[in-house]
Amino acid sequence: DAGVIQSPRHEVTEMGQEVTLRCKPISGHDYLFWYRQTMMRGLELLIYFNNNVPIDDSGMPEDRFSAKMPNASFSTLKIQPSEPRDSAVYFCASSFTQGNYGYTFGSGTRLTVV
Amino acid sequence: KNEVEQSPQNLTAQEGEFITINCSYSVGISALHWLQQHPGGGIVSLFMLSSGKKKHGRLIATINIQEKHSSLHITASHPRDSAVYICAVVNTGNQFYFGTGTSLTVIP
Repeated sequence: DAGVIQSPRHEVTEMGQEVTLRCKPISGHDYLFWYRQTMMRGLELLIYFNNNVPIDDSGMPEDRFSAKMPNASFSTLKIQPSEPRDSAVYFCASSFTQGNYGYTFGSGTRLTVV
Repeated sequence: KNEVEQSPQNLTAQEGEFITINCSYSVGISALHWLQQHPGGGIVSLFMLSSGKKKHGRLIATINIQEKHSSLHITASHPRDSAVYICAVVNTGNQFYFGTGTSLTVIP
């Protein structure tokens, strides 16, 4: 397995534009997590899915953020409209049985909003 | 107030030294995770604990549920262990809380 695959690796966009981050989890994993990491706030959980269903989105900062998981092999995190304070590294991770066997993280997407 | 506190924030050690990183938490938990973030930014899940102790190679993680404390030990440290180590807990309501990380540098 190629691991958790995120795209793009880097994204630079102008304030106000829509940004879509993509994640392909490991096949067979039933949990998928979206995290955000900044210098100021460290690592934060935004939302997680179990069997493609959002379970807890209380970490999503505001309505500008939305996440979907249309099938077991694909998830998106969308920011519309983007703002400079959204600049961060966004990680996707997947696991089997909510991390009892650990999580596998993607390489992250570094987002810069100018 | 942080639900998860890690100490020390920064740690420098000589190669071969025994290292301990501590994590204290204030919430009731269902699980505690130790993560390793390499200088390049990639994150690796090291351990998931709900009780007792786990060992993987030179890494040992322990947890004391009554004291709400976990430790990550590295025996015979090596420069490739240089990374940020993050403690994360999942409370009984399935909410996640993260420590701010311990930055470890092992000098040859």
